[in-house]
Amino acid sequence: AQRVTQPEKLLSVFKGAPVELKCNYSYSGSPELFWYVQYSRQRLQLLLRHISRESIKGFTADLNKGETSFHLKKPFAQEEDSAMYYCALSGISFQKLVFGTGTRLLVSP
Amino acid sequence: DTGVSQNPRHKITKRGQNVTFRCDPISEHNRLYWYRQTLGQGPEFLTYFQNEAQLEKSRLLSDRFSAERPKGSFSTLEIQRTEQGDSAMYLCASSLGLAGRAEQFFGPGTRLTVL
Repeated sequence: AQRVTQPEKLLSVFKGAPVELKCNYSYSGSPELFWYVQYSRQRLQLLLRHISRESIKGFTADLNKGETSFHLKKPFAQEEDSAMYYCALSGISFQKLVFGTGTRLLVSP
Repeated sequence: DTGVSQNPRHKITKRGQNVTFRCDPISEHNRLYWYRQTLGQGPEFLTYFQNEAQLEKSRLLSDRFSAERPKGSFSTLEIQRTEQGDSAMYLCASSLGLAGRAEQFFGPGTRLTVL
């Protein structure tokens, strides 16, 4: 079965500190991994996906198939990064997104 | 706003009543998804349509739930004989393309409260 695990419910850092939001997945096929973000009072939106290999708003994420991880990183957190972050999984054999439980990132001044 | 829209945004109902939600996807998006999100959890898949065909339903979708997309455009999700456990945020998303990996665009959700 497909499963996404985000072990931290809350991650609190100071502005300028590095950030790493953890995501581990379980899927036997070839996965596609996503990070979705939900800012306060806004809808869920795509932040980045592993296949595009982009850096969005300073965030990057590398798919590690050996460790089945897709951690989200940013070297210097900003207050506007405060939001709820969801890791999600899709695959060629199933036509939906499987989400983790989310991590709330709080960046303090 | 050309994004996914959902109506109503909030619904309060009494246990045992029927409710219906509507989702208008982004124009020309052929896929439409319904998810449910409860407090402290990520969105959970309920069902999806490709054009007007409902291609997959989660086991979370009991017999009291029914979804339609009659003309391949907007969709409705109906819950009959609501229960308190149905209280949740119901999210709709749409995407363009045949592959399951296409980016899904989410609506603002309908928050259901069952008293």
